[in-house]
Amino acid sequence: NAGVTQTPKFRVLKTGQSMTLLCAQDMNHEYMYWYRQDPGMGLRLIHYSVGEGTTAKGEVPDGYNVSRLKKQNFLLGLESAAPSQTSVYFCASSKDPLLHSYNEQFFGPGTRLTVL
Amino acid sequence: AQSVAQPEDQVNVAEGNPLTVKCTYSVSGNPYLFWYVQYPNRGLQFLLKYITGDNLVKGSYGFEAEFNKSQTSFHLKKPSALVSDSALYFCAVRDQGYGNNRLAFGKGNQVVVIP
Repeated sequence: NAGVTQTPKFRVLKTGQSMTLLCAQDMNHEYMYWYRQDPGMGLRLIHYSVGEGTTAKGEVPDGYNVSRLKKQNFLLGLESAAPSQTSVYFCASSKDPLLHSYNEQFFGPGTRLTVL
Repeated sequence: AQSVAQPEDQVNVAEGNPLTVKCTYSVSGNPYLFWYVQYPNRGLQFLLKYITGDNLVKGSYGFEAEFNKSQTSFHLKKPSALVSDSALYFCAVRDQGYGNNRLAFGKGNQVVVIP
């Protein structure tokens, strides 16, 4: 079991460039999440998905798009990167809370993104 | 809205001494509470959770946490700290009424265990 994996681990972009971050999980989890982590601010939810083909906005969705075409994958896209998007991005997954009310989220190792 | 406060930026403790990391929460209903740990350049690892029942919750690596409803707190504790416990610790809360499992995280506490 690999758990939650993220690709790439590091990336440097120039302002205005685009990129996609890939998250994959092999635990058959229904729910998946994208967070960003900035110093002194903890983790903030960008977007999340409650199942294949569904996505929803989180706390800080502006400038990002997501897709969940397959249950095991959750993609985060930056269409036109800005320096304010320099951050560490974490993907997480969990079981369906309606079926498993006391479940925790499992996190990937993170992607460190720098936008120049 | 649900939220978590971790009032201290950094906690310094000598190896072998008790370790406490503080967390207070705010939810409209009953809370689910979690503690996660993050080692340098790693993702978050689950330590323990409170759902219901016994107010003292035991978790991984000898950690435990005490749920106090009247003080809306969920402090993380370890009786004897190890140097390897040096890491960033996050408290998180979810309102039981939320079906989307959205967690609100605190800003994190850096724990430094001094040899």
